[in-house]
Amino acid sequence: DQQVKQNSPSLSVQEGRISILNCDYTNSMFDYFLWYKKYPAEGPTFLISISSIKDKNEDGRFTVFLNKSAKHLSLHIVPSQPGDSAVYFCAASATSGTYKYIFGTGTRLKVLA
Amino acid sequence: DAGITQSPRHKVTETGTPVTLRCHQTENHRYMYWYRQDPGHGLRLIHYSYGVKDTDKGEVSDGYSVSRSKTEDFLLTLESATSSQTSVYFCAISELGRDSGNTIYFGEGSWLTVV
Repeated sequence: DQQVKQNSPSLSVQEGRISILNCDYTNSMFDYFLWYKKYPAEGPTFLISISSIKDKNEDGRFTVFLNKSAKHLSLHIVPSQPGDSAVYFCAASATSGTYKYIFGTGTRLKVLA
Repeated sequence: DAGITQSPRHKVTETGTPVTLRCHQTENHRYMYWYRQDPGHGLRLIHYSYGVKDTDKGEVSDGYSVSRSKTEDFLLTLESATSSQTSVYFCAISELGRDSGNTIYFGEGSWLTVV
């Protein structure tokens, strides 16, 4: 039972345009969400997070949106740059519980120059 | 960068042999995790620890055991390695109530091949 789903395995975007990566979750106990970026042969690195008390969080070119009623979050990257080409993982945790972080299957983003 | 060291970074082992992966942290974080990454499956939680000698199972714990005798060390053991355990293993750490919130930080990974 996949509690966190990233239904798009891959995404290609032109440099300078917006990249939108999507993530859905099923567990209503999740109240903290994170996005990670991963380059080949490296560990995942933290990008941005959002608590369930918010519906939007921005950090530079990265914005995460949370729609609790739809159990959906998205990561927007504007403008996209070739260096953003990587695999992106969303993750969710229930902060009142065991602090397990459950990850999605990832979306490979390719930014075309 | 979070002070997380994984060892060994690369290992080839034979089916049926025991293997232990070590994760060492210098951050004094309470929570430690072991994940595996496989194509099509993303990052799956194997086991995690919420304190010294306090551990619990994750999503894919069968065939794995863990131990945490000190805050800084979290060991993952494959008692009898199988080819299905060929994977990249990531250790991660997390702390609560800090300015960084509930962010989880990853090590650089351990590549394990079981032949």
